[in-house]
Amino acid sequence: GQQLNQSPQSMFIQEGEDVSMNCTSSSIFNTWLWYKQDPGEGPVLLIALYKAGELTSNGRLTAQFGITRKDSFLNISASIPSDVGIYFCAGQLTTSGSRLTFGEGTQLTVNP
Amino acid sequence: GAVVSQHPSRVICKSGTSVKIECRSLDFQATTMFWYRQFPKKSLMLMATSNEGSKATYEQGVEKDKFLINHASLTLSTLTVTSAHPEDSSFYICSASSPWPSYNEQFFGPGTRLTVL
Repeated sequence: GQQLNQSPQSMFIQEGEDVSMNCTSSSIFNTWLWYKQDPGEGPVLLIALYKAGELTSNGRLTAQFGITRKDSFLNISASIPSDVGIYFCAGQLTTSGSRLTFGEGTQLTVNP
Repeated sequence: GAVVSQHPSRVICKSGTSVKIECRSLDFQATTMFWYRQFPKKSLMLMATSNEGSKATYEQGVEKDKFLINHASLTLSTLTVTSAHPEDSSFYICSASSPWPSYNEQFFGPGTRLTVL
């Protein structure tokens, strides 16, 4: 089956620093999604990407859909303490309906 | 945005009992609902997909008789963990999907923490 490799597994940064994380897949996706999960909560959608090469921003967040359709990255600029959480990438194939394949997650810690 | 709720948010039960978790789409009709399981510091693992009025489709390795899923209406799906054991302790998350308001987008519930003693 499809697998998503997400890196890094964890990051410890200082407030104000920029962060980058990425996902790679063994096969293509039609849609790439980035979620954030706070402790004890469900994932919340941050950014959705629908076209290869697409670069999309949401405030301090920027994500790109790789040209090969097998990868995506998420950047967070000028991190703040509330950015702490687990970030997941997810891929979706239209032929699989709305089924998602999740990456392993990146645990982000921001030190004030 | 579309809102999905889960009830209860936390449940503690004794080994051998059954536990039912509800997932509701509050402001849209969900044609498809998904149930995930998540272990600490791990990713979401899809357990099953259910379409309203149909039997759920379970992922490989997930016991149908252990995890009973019912999707009787367009706004409610239930997951029943039967004869629960300590190894069933986990964080269970549902999501709901529909052609409207956003085609194929999954909206996630807040999760249910199950602890089996």
